[in-house]
Amino acid sequence: QPVLTQSSSASASLGSSVKLTCTLSSDHSTYIIAWHQQQPGKAPRYLMKLEGSGSYNKGSGVPDRFSGSSSGADRYLTISNLQFEDEADYYCETWDSSTRWVFGGGTKLTVL
Amino acid sequence: EVQLVESGGTLVQPGGSLRLSCAASGFTVSSNYMSWVRQAPGKGLEWVSVIYSDGSTYYADSVKGRFTISRDNSKNTLYLQMNTLRAEDTAVYYCARDRYYDYWGQGTLVTVSS
Repeated sequence: QPVLTQSSSASASLGSSVKLTCTLSSDHSTYIIAWHQQQPGKAPRYLMKLEGSGSYNKGSGVPDRFSGSSSGADRYLTISNLQFEDEADYYCETWDSSTRWVFGGGTKLTVL
Repeated sequence: EVQLVESGGTLVQPGGSLRLSCAASGFTVSSNYMSWVRQAPGKGLEWVSVIYSDGSTYYADSVKGRFTISRDNSKNTLYLQMNTLRAEDTAVYYCARDRYYDYWGQGTLVTVSS
């Protein structure tokens, strides 16, 4: 079954960029993932679907500041020109025919 | 506009039952994967159950045999019947659409406590 590993926390300054990482277990390195944002006290929000090739499809209304990329088993979410409203938990998830949906543990992003 | 609205969450005693609803608008529930995902207080997201467009259903091991997912096509609504509830089922329950969870509801809180 796939395992998704995320750093528990990250921080970056207002107006700067940050790159969050989601690492797939080695046997599942080609899997497609999705990134979701959860602002404090709110429901999760879909950001994008991200393939192993680095191709991504963003959800409706997701700002251009959000982009995705991939390298091997790593899936990245890059946020440029950080805003205070980007302070949130970010989760990656994937699907497998045996375990169905699996989530990473989430990264708590702090905007300084 | 796609919208998902959950309801039915409340305080329930251990061993009790509860049915959650997720009313959908802007799309047809029966044409999509529909899932329930939960989040215990202060914890991450956990997949609970899915119903596919062909009607097949799947469950996380933690709820198998206790929870049942279903849908009412005439009401365009998704349900989660929760039986034999335990303290560890305490969470906010979200419904979400499709393989990549492109839309989420606002969530409904289930508290299992005596």
